[in-house]
Amino acid sequence: NAGVMQNPRHLVRRRGQEARLRCSPMKGHSHVYWYRQLPEEGLKFMVYLQKENIIDESGMPKERFSAEFPKEGPSILRIQQVVRGDSAAYFCASSPLSGRTDYGYTFGSGTRLTVV
Amino acid sequence: AQSVTQPDIHITVSEGASLELRCNYSYGATPYLFWYVQSPGQGLQLLLKYFSGDTLVQGIKGFEAEFKRSQSSFNLRKPSVHWSDAAEYFCAVGGIDNTGFQKLVFGTGTRLLVSP
Repeated sequence: NAGVMQNPRHLVRRRGQEARLRCSPMKGHSHVYWYRQLPEEGLKFMVYLQKENIIDESGMPKERFSAEFPKEGPSILRIQQVVRGDSAAYFCASSPLSGRTDYGYTFGSGTRLTVV
Repeated sequence: AQSVTQPDIHITVSEGASLELRCNYSYGATPYLFWYVQSPGQGLQLLLKYFSGDTLVQGIKGFEAEFKRSQSSFNLRKPSVHWSDAAEYFCAVGGIDNTGFQKLVFGTGTRLLVSP
């Protein structure tokens, strides 16, 4: 049973390009969470999605960032017109139940985005 | 809203010595508490979690943590540290925030260095 799969592991983009980060949850998990880890900081919540629904995007920057979790396929975190400040590690986590934290999330290995 | 404080940014411990990593949380109700470990370039692995019941929780790799409600603390301990324990440790609290959604909030982490 594969864990949470994120790809790519490393992504380099020039300023102004688009970054697409993919996350496939654990088998049987239908809830996905994206977190961002800036250098020397903890993980900050960005967005919580269920299949075809955004449940909570209170941590998403208002511009340039979007997320989706289609009926088929992985969840995508999309960053348009990247800037240097977007350089960070982006982690995806999944859980089997709706928003429940008592089970703890299963995290992927992250995508490290570098904007040059 | 919940919050987590990890007051120690770095800690150095000699191999074989005991370890205690501090975590203080803020949350209005009974929290769900977690400790995660992150090795360099890796994702987060769950060490242990507390929901209710016995306030001393055993985790993987010989770690334990004690929930102290009166001190709003959930400190992580290990009686004898191994060189392979060198990593970053994150405390997290889960609970319902003002959006009505349960999500994990992380501390900024403590980096553990193990000296020979």
